[in-house]
Amino acid sequence: QKEVEQDPGPLSVPEGAIVSLNCTYSNSAFQYFMWYRQYSRKGPELLMYTYSSGNKEDGRFTAQVDKSSKYISLFIRDSQPSDSATYLCAMSGYSGGGADGLTFGKGTHLIIQP
Amino acid sequence: DVKVTQSSRYLVKRTGEKVFLECVQDMDHENMFWYRQDPGLGLRLIYFSYDVKMKEKGDIPEGYSVSREKKERFSLILESASTSQTSMYLCASGKRWKAGNTIYFGEGSWLTVV
Repeated sequence: QKEVEQDPGPLSVPEGAIVSLNCTYSNSAFQYFMWYRQYSRKGPELLMYTYSSGNKEDGRFTAQVDKSSKYISLFIRDSQPSDSATYLCAMSGYSGGGADGLTFGKGTHLIIQP
Repeated sequence: DVKVTQSSRYLVKRTGEKVFLECVQDMDHENMFWYRQDPGLGLRLIYFSYDVKMKEKGDIPEGYSVSREKKERFSLILESASTSQTSMYLCASGKRWKAGNTIYFGEGSWLTVV
């Protein structure tokens, strides 16, 4: 079982829809959770950062963590064509994580249709 | 804002050539990383460095070497490029590791080996 699982997609939704992107993980030591957004032929950029369980909202984006289920989500409200990108989850903990401290999902490719 | 600059965005090299990929960060970060990213395989860590002249192998170091002579600069070297090394290469930097740290990526370097 991989440490972090993320559906690669593509996930295609119409403009204005609510998008839900998800990752599951197996390492209970993970406590810090991030979402990176990567546009085509660009580097990933940090989008959201949360610690432990709960929700965090930033504009149209909401990051949700359920540590009991080892499941994290990124919700995008009123999705726009400019949200079309690959979204990577990443996580770390006091005793978990890779050599660089972060364990990444492989990314979900999201397409917002105008 | 953190800035990680990769000097070459697009390169085409011949098999057997020596290739240098350069990366500079302006945030006085201790840690620097080189990843490659391939469809379906996600981000894979090649090497990282936690201090000047220090380096650690990541998950896929074979065929690569690195150099860090100054804190802000981290170079990836392909001693003898092969077609299997055609990929997108991402440099990243981050503060000295502790749980909860994030890393910041450059724009990426697209390398094609023919």
